[in-house]
Parts: sequence; structure tokens; C-alpha cells
Amino acid sequence: DIVMTQTPLSSPVNPGQPASISCRSSQSLVHSHGSTYLSWLQQRPGQPPRPLIYKISNRFSGVPDRFSGSGAGTDFTLKISRVEAEDVGDYYCVQATQFPYTFGQGTKLEI
Amino acid sequence: EVQLVESGGGLVPPGGSLRLSCAASGVSISSYWMQWVRQAPGKGLVWVSRSNSDGSSVAYADSVKGRFTISRDNAKNTLYLQLNSLRAEDTAFYYCATYNFGHGFFDNWGRGTLVTVSS
Repeated sequence: DIVMTQTPLSSPVNPGQPASISCRSSQSLVHSHGSTYLSWLQQRPGQPPRPLIYKISNRFSGVPDRFSGSGAGTDFTLKISRVEAEDVGDYYCVQATQFPYTFGQGTKLEI
Repeated sequence: EVQLVESGGGLVPPGGSLRLSCAASGVSISSYWMQWVRQAPGKGLVWVSRSNSDGSSVAYADSVKGRFTISRDNAKNTLYLQLNSLRAEDTAFYYCATYNFGHGFFDNWGRGTLVTVSS
């Protein structure tokens, strides 16, 4: 199975400041047909997960443009340009390139 | 608006069984691969099972293989997960999600149903 490792596990930030979360996979996430199925989820306290980013850098419908994704191969990053209070919660990377799908252990964003 | 509503969770003793349901509205699940993902209280997300759009191909995490069964009734727009031989470590919120096959991500999530395995 592909192991997804996120850093940091906890990230205290001040409103208006940037935040960055790293996700590293134990194998390349480039699929045989060329796409990289790495996505990011946000889970606010007491809420189910919701998608933020798919295929490394594509924002899901309705996601503010302060969220951005980047990376390639085995190293990926989620960035929030200016953190807002509503961004508090847990963030997960997840790979769907190889079965079984695997998630990172989560990063808690705290203000 | 897409809505997925899980039900069927509850308290069950070790070795017991439950059947979870995921009723969809605003989307026809016959067009989607469907997934179950679980989350133990205070822990991270773990993929459990998936079904292709017509239910002809299913898969399970090793930890539940042989004990859980995923199924679907596309006419009722509902996904199911039969949980047998439950263990304490199966205690978790169980979420159903649609899977966007073209872009490879989980695009709609339900609010989850809590399964507690305890004597």
C-alpha cells in the first residue's frame, strides 16, 4: 500500500498569515496514463470531510482561491495564502492512483 | 444539491452485525463509483470499501475483507454496507462518498453514521 505522510501534524497560525501543509507519498502517484490522483480534503470540527483540491492543483467548486495545491511525483503541498477563522480544522491528503486508496494522517490547523 | 444520508449505525456487541444505508438525492448513484470511508473518534480517515457503478466490481480494505459486504440498489438510489463479526476496532463514523472517476477524488460526502462496538 502507498503510505501518505503529512507534515506538520499540527499547525498554529494567526489569521491573515499563510499556512502550508506537506504530503509525501511512499511511491510516485503518477498513474500509468499520466494523471496524478492526489487530492486534499478539509474537515471542520464536527463536520464530514469536503473536497478542496483534486489532481494536485485543481480547486473544487466553491473553494476560495486562497487555497492552492502544488507538487509532483511524491511531494505535494497545500497552501493557504491568508488563513481565516473558518479554515480551522483537519486537512488530509489522499491518493487514488493505486488501490487501495490511502489517506495522510491529517494536519490540524489551529488559530 | 447532492445529499448523501447515512443511517443504520448504533451500539452493537462484539461479534454482532449491522447494516448501514446511504440514501442519495440530487444525484443518480448509478453514474458513480461509491465508497465507504470510516473514521474512529478523534482519528484519521480510512478507506473501507468501494463499488463500481453497477455493483459488478467491489473491493475491501484488508481489515474488513470477509466481514463487510458492500452492495447497492440503483433503483432506490441507495448504497449499503453489511457489517458482520464486528470488533471493537470497527468503532467509527462511517461515511459514504461518491467517487469522481474521471478526476480520481471523493467529491460528495455524507454526514456519517456512528457504529460503536462494545459489550
